[in-house]
Parts: sequence; C-alpha cells; structure tokens
Amino acid sequence: DTGVSQDPRHKITKRGQNVTFRCDPISEHNRLYWYRQTLGQGPEFLTYFQNEAQLEKSRLLSDRFSAERPKGSFSTLEIQRTEQGDSAMYLCASSLVALDTQYFGPGTRLTVL
Amino acid sequence: AQSVTQLGSHVSVSEGALVLLRCNYSSSVPPYLFWYVQYPNQGLQLLLKYTSAATLVKGINGFEAEFKKSETSFHLTKPSAHMSDAAEYFCAVSDLGGGATNKLIFGTGTLLAVQP
Repeated sequence: DTGVSQDPRHKITKRGQNVTFRCDPISEHNRLYWYRQTLGQGPEFLTYFQNEAQLEKSRLLSDRFSAERPKGSFSTLEIQRTEQGDSAMYLCASSLVALDTQYFGPGTRLTVL
Repeated sequence: AQSVTQLGSHVSVSEGALVLLRCNYSSSVPPYLFWYVQYPNQGLQLLLKYTSAATLVKGINGFEAEFKKSETSFHLTKPSAHMSDAAEYFCAVSDLGGGATNKLIFGTGTLLAVQP
C-alpha cells in the first residue's frame, strides 16, 4: 500500500492554457474525491467518484473543469482555459467505502500566471 | 447542513506546554468528526476521528480530542508540545446528508507555532 499519489506536484501555466492532473488512489479504494485548497483556507469539495461513476459535483466546479475515472482506478482532473483564480492546491483523497477514512495525496499546486 | 468553526487561526505555544486547538461543529445528524494535520506543501494526514463510539478519541503523535455534544465541540489537545508539532491543523465534519456523499467539510485551519 503506497498511499495516494498525485502528479505533477507543481504546475505553472499561463492564463488560457489547459492543464490536467492525475490522481492514483490507494489500491482497491472505491471512492475518490477531489478537493481544492486556496491559501489560508481549508480544502473545499469539488467532486467524487464511486468506482467509475461521478456521483456529485460541487457548484465550485465550473464548466471549465472536468474529471474522469475511466476504469475506476486513477482519476484525472482537467481545467480548460485556466484563469488566475484557479491557482490553488488540488488535493485527491480516496476511501474504501462511503464512511471510511479519506486518505489524502500530497496535492498538485497550480500557479496560473 | 454541516459546518465547522475553528477558533483562532494562529496559536503559539512553548515547547512542553499544553496544546489546545478549538473546533465547534454544526450538524443536523450525529456527526462524524476528524482532525487532520498539514505540513508545508504536503497533503493532509489524519490525526484522529470520532464516529459515535467513545467520546474521548486518541490519535497519533499523542493527540486526543473529546466530543462534547452539549457544547457542539471537538477540541484537539496534546499535553506537551514538541517542535515537530508545528503545522496547520484542520477540523472537519463528514457530510452525512441524504446523498451519502461523505464529503468532508473543513474549517479554515489553525496554524500552530511551537516556540523553543
């Protein structure tokens, strides 16, 4: 069990570019969550998957954001036409079942110039 | 809807002193409560969780928290602070609403500084 991993750890991009982040959950964890954390704030929920099904999306997730978990294993989060307000730490977490502990990855820090 | 409030965005203690980080929650159903710790440029690590069993919960690194329903509180304590405890601490409640999302709702965090 190697824990939740995220790639890349840091991403610097120019406004208007598209970016994609990857999250690999703990093996056999059915639930996968994405959160966003801005400076000085706690993480905020973006979306979650039960296996490959995306079951809820926060209103924070504008139409420029899309997430997938194609085979119920790793997940990707894409942001199109990035804006400076998208600069944040993007955290991924996984859990075995619904009420189980969520284990977090190290995060991807996005900076939009 | 569930929410948490962390009182004190910055707390400073001396090494060896008591650590007390405050968290109050609001929940329409019996809550699941968590404390996570975050070191600079890292993800969140679970310290402890309350899931309606014992009201005094012991976690890692000598931390513990007590669930007090009458006060809607879940304060985090450690008897003796260590330099390595310097980090940001987040209290969270699990959304146990009808959708069963189980998403975590976090407070704004408390940055703990430990002075030598």
